[in-house]
Amino acid sequence: NAGVTQTPKFQVLKTGQSMTLQCAQDMNHNSMYWYRQDPGMGLRLIYYSASEGTTDKGEVPNGYNVSRLNKREFSLRLESAAPSQTSVYFCASSGTANSGNTIYFGEGSWLTVV
Amino acid sequence: GNSVTQMEGPVTLSEEAFLTINCTYTATGYPSLFWYVQYPGEGLQLLLKATKADDKGSNKGFEATYRKETTSFHLEKGSVQVSDSAVYFCALYPSTGGFKTIFGAGTRLFVKA
Repeated sequence: NAGVTQTPKFQVLKTGQSMTLQCAQDMNHNSMYWYRQDPGMGLRLIYYSASEGTTDKGEVPNGYNVSRLNKREFSLRLESAAPSQTSVYFCASSGTANSGNTIYFGEGSWLTVV
Repeated sequence: GNSVTQMEGPVTLSEEAFLTINCTYTATGYPSLFWYVQYPGEGLQLLLKATKADDKGSNKGFEATYRKETTSFHLEKGSVQVSDSAVYFCALYPSTGGFKTIFGAGTRLFVKA
């Protein structure tokens, strides 16, 4: 039972490099999310997708782009990485009110920008 | 707007102590309320939830009661274990508008043997 799978788990980037974090869910959920978690800052929403074909900005979208490739997959791209983007990134998904609006998280991607 | 406020940590307890982590919320209508737990090196996972006033969510010995009159959803456990050491997040899903989960800042719990 995979749930939400995100890759890579660890990545070191140089300032200015680009990369894409991949995420897939196998729960047939409509909504998907990207969060970042920094020490002492809790979770902050970067982007979300309420359904296939739609994406919206969250609290901290600057420096990121997303693609909802299909219902299963939601990727996060850093076009030109900066040290301020060093963080742990979590992909998540949620279903409908029938599932109690519970959010299911991936295991996280640790990104360091040097 | 919608918001969640939870007590700052870290909270340090000895094994078998009683745990309370306070959580209050601001929202219109009747949001759903959640506690999520994050163990070291892992993503968040649902611990318990309550969807209407006076409901009690419970799981793994943890409990929280949805109190509409005090807009609170405090997390309690009668006897904590070392394995309960984690970060606990209170969260709400609004019943009107937004339709995105709002998380509190998280409370880190350390349990000493």
